[in-house]
Amino acid sequence: EVQLVESGGGLVQPGGSLRLSCAASGFTFSTYWMNWVRQAPGKGLEWVANIKEDGSVKNYGDSVKGRFTISRDNAQNSLSLQMNSLRADDTAVYYCARNRGYETFDIWGQGTMVTVSS
Amino acid sequence: QSALTQPASVSGSPGQSITISCTGTSSDIGAYNYVSWYQQYPGKAPKLMIYDVSNRPSGISNRFSGSKSGNTASLTISGLQAEDEADYYCFSYGGAFGTGTEVTVL
Repeated sequence: EVQLVESGGGLVQPGGSLRLSCAASGFTFSTYWMNWVRQAPGKGLEWVANIKEDGSVKNYGDSVKGRFTISRDNAQNSLSLQMNSLRADDTAVYYCARNRGYETFDIWGQGTMVTVSS
Repeated sequence: QSALTQPASVSGSPGQSITISCTGTSSDIGAYNYVSWYQQYPGKAPKLMIYDVSNRPSGISNRFSGSKSGNTASLTISGLQAEDEADYYCFSYGGAFGTGTEVTVL
């Protein structure tokens, strides 16, 4: 079964850091671009970042550029998101999503909640 | 990366057809045939319904169809059913989701 499972969410203070992980299974992870997408409580979806199959290209949304870093370990079939300098408006459910073709997200994880609050 | 514009809500009666619009610019929707649509139930992850403007993934009902004209893409749901009540989001190559549309089945 093709599956993505996120972990690492939790409560963090403003200015703090958190690292999210996404474990992939059921497909050849190393042959797909991967993404992080988030959704603030009661709000819409926001694309956060993506990374090329071999990790050589990374793109970020304007709201997280310079604070978040996406990475992957193809040997471990895992995707990560290092989040630094967290702000209250980073509070959201964070989903990892597989890319199909041109920025089409065909497989999603169940999401992990990040709450930034003092 | 400005959000694409969708109507906040659309409603219809069972069996009717509804259309959700997604308006962008000549730099995103107007420039590429890479528009996708996602269905999301409360508390659940989004699900891909349409990709590359008008293609349906395996397992998606043919009641869902997509199209594009100029800078606006559209998702049409035919033969509306109670299970179609959900939020719908578009996404265009260039990195922006739509603002989201809540579909209500009357």
